[in-house]
Amino acid sequence: DTGVSQDPRHKITKRGQNVTFRCDPISEHNRLYWYRQTLGQGPEFLTYFQNEAQLEKSRLLSDRFSAERPKGSFSTLEIQRTEQGDSAMYLCASSLTPRNTEAFFGQGTRLTVV
Amino acid sequence: GQNIDQPTEMTATEGAIVQINCTYQTSGFNGLFWYQQHAGEAPTFLSYNVLDGLEEKGRFSSFLSRSKGYSYLLLKELQMKDSASYLCAVRTLDAGNMLTFGGGTRLMVKP
Repeated sequence: DTGVSQDPRHKITKRGQNVTFRCDPISEHNRLYWYRQTLGQGPEFLTYFQNEAQLEKSRLLSDRFSAERPKGSFSTLEIQRTEQGDSAMYLCASSLTPRNTEAFFGQGTRLTVV
Repeated sequence: GQNIDQPTEMTATEGAIVQINCTYQTSGFNGLFWYQQHAGEAPTFLSYNVLDGLEEKGRFSSFLSRSKGYSYLLLKELQMKDSASYLCAVRTLDAGNMLTFGGGTRLMVKP
């Protein structure tokens, strides 16, 4: 399968714990995006990378959130000291520039903070 | 800021035609996308408009009017498997061509 893959698919954690998610984009894609989606809402932009450089972060991304893409391939999103409000689906998407193509989404990691 | 509006829910009958509207207000417009999302799954790309007019792709068509900030997705010959959420998303030139999504329209197709 050459699509965007995310791991894990589901994560249940206790409030206050740290969690880390991984995204493997489509191999030749140079742009990688993280979105967050809560039930019944559309995805909300969190951050994006152009190769290994993180170029934009939403104000939704508090200091407890950090994302990396160390070699311009896979990316990780870490949430420290999780809160119940962090419960959501975390979606990763990738695209190829400058070809103006659509973004392809992974199946997401569903986080539940109890 | 950016604002994207679409109806929350719609119901239609199998075999019929349904039109899902989307209005937007944004700066740096660089295209409008429609995605389909089944419950618990990833959004999947349906269509893309950057110029005014109609784009047709099998049973799905999408229309854009940039001057009116308006788009619609038309689904023909509805099938039960078309029951899903339909997300309207605007791409803008800031933040690396990020997508800003509407809240989604949950479509229920009934027999």
